[in-house]
Amino acid sequence: AQTVTQSQPEMSVQEAETVTLSCTYDTSENNYYLFWYKQPPSRQMILVIRQEAYKQQNATENRFSVNFQKAAKSFSLKISDSQLGDTAMYFCAFMKRSGNTPLVFGKGTRLSVIA
Amino acid sequence: DAGVIQSPRHEVTEMGQEVTLRCKPISGHNSLFWYRQTMMRGLELLIYFNNNVPIDDSGMPEDRFSAKMPNASFSTLKIQPSEPRDSAVYFCASSFPAIGYNEQFFGPGTRLTVL
Repeated sequence: AQTVTQSQPEMSVQEAETVTLSCTYDTSENNYYLFWYKQPPSRQMILVIRQEAYKQQNATENRFSVNFQKAAKSFSLKISDSQLGDTAMYFCAFMKRSGNTPLVFGKGTRLSVIA
Repeated sequence: DAGVIQSPRHEVTEMGQEVTLRCKPISGHNSLFWYRQTMMRGLELLIYFNNNVPIDDSGMPEDRFSAKMPNASFSTLKIQPSEPRDSAVYFCASSFPAIGYNEQFFGPGTRLTVL
């Protein structure tokens, strides 16, 4: 079974600053995907960024980037130039790369961006 | 595209009552997932279907919970009888059959309160 751990229940950052959210996972799978989801107060789940485990290059999406360390089973999210709209819960998630399989989520990190 | 549709958005009921949550996946998607979100346990998979067939229901808490997918465009999650500990946000998600990565698209969730 896979597990995903987010060790930071809450974090805060000043507007325009950079913040890094941590995530570790445990799996015996070799082929998988990792994700970061954002859940604003509206509670809609929004996909922020995706990483394929077989790719060494870290994924980036505008102000969002990841640091993927496969051997260490670590997958952190860096948000640059933080904006007030980034205030949300952030979930790290794992999915096996074998057809349509479920997501396994961490408990989440509540991020507050302060003006 | 309307996205994944869930109804109702909010449900308040009394302990012992039957509750039915509904989900309409995105047209053409062949996998459907039911997740539950609570403060204590975070986001957890309850059950998922591929091509209308239940694949894994190991996350269903107990016999009070049941899920059906009578056709490709509709699924229900039923709780009978409901208990206060069932209070949570229930998400439905669907994904498209493709080789490799299949993004899961989430509905807006149903917030259930059992008094």
